[in-house]
Amino acid sequence: DSGVTQTPKHLITATGQRVTLRCSPRSGDLSVYWYQQSLDQGLQFLIQYYNGEERAKGNILERFSAQQFPDLHSELNLSSLELGDSALYFCASSVEQSIGEQYFGPGTRLTVT
Amino acid sequence: GQQLNQSPQSMFIQEGEDVSMNCTSSSIFNTWLWYKQDPGEGPVLLIALYKAGELTSNGRLTAQFGITRKDSFLNISASIPSDVGIYFCAGQGIGSSNTGKLIFGQGTTLQVKP
Repeated sequence: DSGVTQTPKHLITATGQRVTLRCSPRSGDLSVYWYQQSLDQGLQFLIQYYNGEERAKGNILERFSAQQFPDLHSELNLSSLELGDSALYFCASSVEQSIGEQYFGPGTRLTVT
Repeated sequence: GQQLNQSPQSMFIQEGEDVSMNCTSSSIFNTWLWYKQDPGEGPVLLIALYKAGELTSNGRLTAQFGITRKDSFLNISASIPSDVGIYFCAGQGIGSSNTGKLIFGQGTTLQVKP
């Protein structure tokens, strides 16, 4: 158990819908990262927040957004969902914003039908 | 997106054998990490490397940060059935624009025959 929690575990929704994925980092970690894992693209970095502020952006679509709240939990919002958005979404956390040692949560499996 | 070149893609070995896998990149990294992922689970951090030439062990696992800073390898000695899974290398590039961004290899799927 990494100490990172994610909810829900599974999510099935229809195209065009909007969903919110939730992540709680390890106790004491200030940085939260979101990744997407699909069969054809592997693990792709989406976005990083550190202590409530956005710090780094990867290949995140404009239809996706995230935020980190004062209690340090984070939410990833996915809107106007398409079939191709079906994937595993992972949250990871680390103590600092620049150190690479990241600990991953169990993931949310999103299926768009 | 950008990815590291990880090899081999898959390995099928006998229990007790040693395993070696590696990752190479066209750019310099300041951090190399190795993760293991079981089906339906999140990646679990195995070893973290921060200096060129660094050699670090974690039980039967040994990893090295290449001298050129463009490669890393992971060795598993005396494999056991629970070593089965997908192993990923990950690296963080230099420069402020790469801070916080991990780039992942494509993964090596390991199967161990008892």
